[in-house]
Parts: sequence; structure tokens; C-alpha cells
Amino acid sequence: KQEVTQIPAALSVPEGENLVLNCSFTDSAIYNLQWFRQDPGKGLTSLLLIQSSQREQTSGRLNASLDKSSGRSTLYIAASQPGDSATYLCAVRPGLTGGGNKLTFGTGTQLKVEL
Amino acid sequence: ETGVTQTPRHLVMGMTNKKSLKCEQHLGHNAMYWYKQSAKKPLELMFVYSLEERVENNSVPSRFSPECPNSSHLFLHLHTLQPEDSALYLCASSQSQGGAREQYFGPGTRLTVT
Repeated sequence: KQEVTQIPAALSVPEGENLVLNCSFTDSAIYNLQWFRQDPGKGLTSLLLIQSSQREQTSGRLNASLDKSSGRSTLYIAASQPGDSATYLCAVRPGLTGGGNKLTFGTGTQLKVEL
Repeated sequence: ETGVTQTPRHLVMGMTNKKSLKCEQHLGHNAMYWYKQSAKKPLELMFVYSLEERVENNSVPSRFSPECPNSSHLFLHLHTLQPEDSALYLCASSQSQGGAREQYFGPGTRLTVT
């Protein structure tokens, strides 16, 4: 059974700092991995999706990497801003062909960027 | 705006009430999902509909009843709920086959059972 773990559970940093959020998964047979952002009481916003054949994806100040063999992904946020404060979730889609519809989520990292 | 809308955004109901949650997607997708998000727990997949057929039911109690009348609409009918069913209920949609099948989420319905 796939398990997804995110460390740390919570993180508080000063504005402008570069930071790394970690995600690990137990079964390396994944189709893709997706990073989401969730603001309090709101739905999820997709940030980046990495296919299993890719090593990284970039969008603006965000960079996500994937090391499938070791079961790890990182989300790098450059020059953090107070508006980045949110909970960040990673989720993996199972299977080598993506036949499964089920995403397995981690419990998230709650990020606070302070002025 | 992700192209997935949910109504109502907030719902308070007693244990004997019957209510329905509604989800609509405007993305041309053909798969839709219901998730439950409880405090300090990972999102739990409840139901998946692909091409309007239910393809996954993750041991959800029968007091939750999904309905997918077409590929753009998804409902979750609720009856005789328990206080532990209080949670954020999220709807998502994606393509069912091919490509990355990236899921797009609605804003959720915050449900409180009294």
C-alpha cells in the first residue's frame, strides 16, 4: 500500500528565504507526482506535475524535483513571500501506465512566511 | 478559479437531515472525484466516476450516496450523518485516459454535522 510522507509538518521562515519541502513515497511504481497548494478552508490549487520519466518541473519561483528510485520529491521555493503562506500537499498517482485514478496524498506541510 | 465549482460552500445539518452537495466542472473532463478532508488527516478518496460510471468506492458508508448524471455534474447525497462526518468535502475532475490526468479541485464544501 502506497504511503506518502511530508516533512516537516510545519515550517515558519522569514520573508526572502529560499526553502525546500520534502515528500517521500514508499512504492516507486508511480505514474506521476503532483504538488498542490491549499489555503485555509479552501480547495487545492495544482502547482506542478512531474511525470515519472521527468526529473524536475519549474514554474516561476517554484521548482519540483523527482527521484523515483529513492521515492522522493522536493519542492523548492525561491525568495519566499508572505503570500506563499499555505499548506503544500504532494500526491502520487499509482501504476506504471497511469491506469489507476487514485491519488495518494501526504498530510501536507503548513508553511508560514513572516514579514 | 479552477473551472470546478461546488455548492453550497458551507452546510450545517442535523443527524436526521437529508442534503446534497453539488459539483460542476467546465473543463471538458470525463472523470470526477469526491474526496473527504478531515483535520490532520490526508485527503481520502471517496468515489471516482469515469465516463459517468462509478469505478471506485473506497469503503464509504452507505449514508453517502454519489450520483453522476453526466460528465459535467457530480452530486453527493447525504442522509443520517454522524458528527464524525464533519469535514471539508472536495470535488475534482480530470481526463480519464491518456496524458497526465492532472486533477483540478473545486473550493470544497465545509460540512458540519450537529
